[in-house]
Amino acid sequence: AQKITQTQPGMFVQEKEAVTLDCTYDTSDPSYGLFWYKQPSSGEMIFLIYQGSYDQQNATEGRYSLNFQKARKSANLVISASQLGDSAMYFCAMREFGGGADGLTFGKGTHLIIQP
Amino acid sequence: NAGVTQTPKFRVLKTGQSMTLLCAQDMNHEYMYWYRQDPGMGLRLIHYSVGEGTTAKGEVPDGYNVSRLKKQNFLLGLESAAPSQTSVYFCASTAGGRVGGYTFGSGTRLTVV
Repeated sequence: AQKITQTQPGMFVQEKEAVTLDCTYDTSDPSYGLFWYKQPSSGEMIFLIYQGSYDQQNATEGRYSLNFQKARKSANLVISASQLGDSAMYFCAMREFGGGADGLTFGKGTHLIIQP
Repeated sequence: NAGVTQTPKFRVLKTGQSMTLLCAQDMNHEYMYWYRQDPGMGLRLIHYSVGEGTTAKGEVPDGYNVSRLKKQNFLLGLESAAPSQTSVYFCASTAGGRVGGYTFGSGTRLTVV
């Protein structure tokens, strides 16, 4: 089973609208962290936001917020007031802290296109 | 600027040739990682290191070797390149801990013909 599932291969959104990018995860480790990265067409990986499994509140970073629903194993990224520069690939990733192999496990990504 | 530097940025290899990708970080991070990115697959972990002198296998280690002789450097080797290793390779590092962010290099685009 995939550990990170992103069900939206591509999305088209009008500029200034809010965007929700879906991410569900699968782990039996009670201690984990969830990450979102942006990859523009230039190729670099840009860190957006982090949520720890024990964090009581949803993470926010400027226009980005993470809608964390632990019981549903869901960690959706919300971008408020989208801008043309938000057009990019977006990856959800997870790190499990309980042992075993280290490193981030990534989803397959969502290609977001913001239209003027 | 502090960060993760990957060399080279582009490379074309012939099948059977060998090469080494270099990752260097100047943030004194303990943990370093090599990923590959293929179309539609996201990033997959090849090998990683949790400190100088240590290495471990990730999800897709076959055909690759790594070394971490110095804390700041993490080398990825291809002994006999195959077309299936055509990919974009990313190096990343983190200080560790539960909130440590990962810093990625800008990637190496490798084509094996």
